[in-house]
Amino acid sequence: SQQGEEDPQALSIQEGENATMNCSYKTSINNLQWYRQNSGRGLVHLILIRSNEREKHSGRLRVTLDTSKKSSSLLITASRAADTASYFCATPASGGSYIPTFGRGTSLIVHP
Amino acid sequence: NAGVTQTPKFQVLKTGQSMTLQCAQDMNHNSMYWYRQDPGMGLRLIYYSASEGTTDKGEVPNGYNVSRLNKREFSLRLESAAPSQTSVYFCASLQGSTNQPQHFGDGTRLSIL
Repeated sequence: SQQGEEDPQALSIQEGENATMNCSYKTSINNLQWYRQNSGRGLVHLILIRSNEREKHSGRLRVTLDTSKKSSSLLITASRAADTASYFCATPASGGSYIPTFGRGTSLIVHP
Repeated sequence: NAGVTQTPKFQVLKTGQSMTLQCAQDMNHNSMYWYRQDPGMGLRLIYYSASEGTTDKGEVPNGYNVSRLNKREFSLRLESAAPSQTSVYFCASLQGSTNQPQHFGDGTRLSIL
């Protein structure tokens, strides 16, 4: 069963704008990961945030985690056409096993 | 620096045919996974192998079998393909800790007529 769900399902913005996508999950986690998938390719890991962290940065990416609300957000600042991709959050399956489970993803289109 | 390699990249089968999808990783990872990705459904786990010699069912195992041939290789077999198994199949590997990222192959696009 899916642990995390991304929102919105689709997002269309202009180059230079910021893109924010959210992930909600159901049970306690020890970390949450974000991945990107370009069209026709496999998923690529972007960033991991641990349950004791509230915010993490990597280049133009900013991830927040609110364990009280069981939610995370991924912010891409100053977006570029090359950021066009689907973005997924991954959390361990309920029960704490070492099985990352994925939501349905957010499809981001950045118009040049 | 190959990472996770999947073969073939594309395949068309007729209903009832069998096929094995191959996956190999060169990162000495303990865990390997097979997912399928369908439009609007995200990734769903078919089978996984937490370590060499072990395999376990995931969310959607029916119609599939797997073999963890050695630490590097994890294959997925469709014994009698059905149109409902038309999908993109992804193999992934993980060192073994939940604090590590999964590494994915580029997928096998499988169509069953």
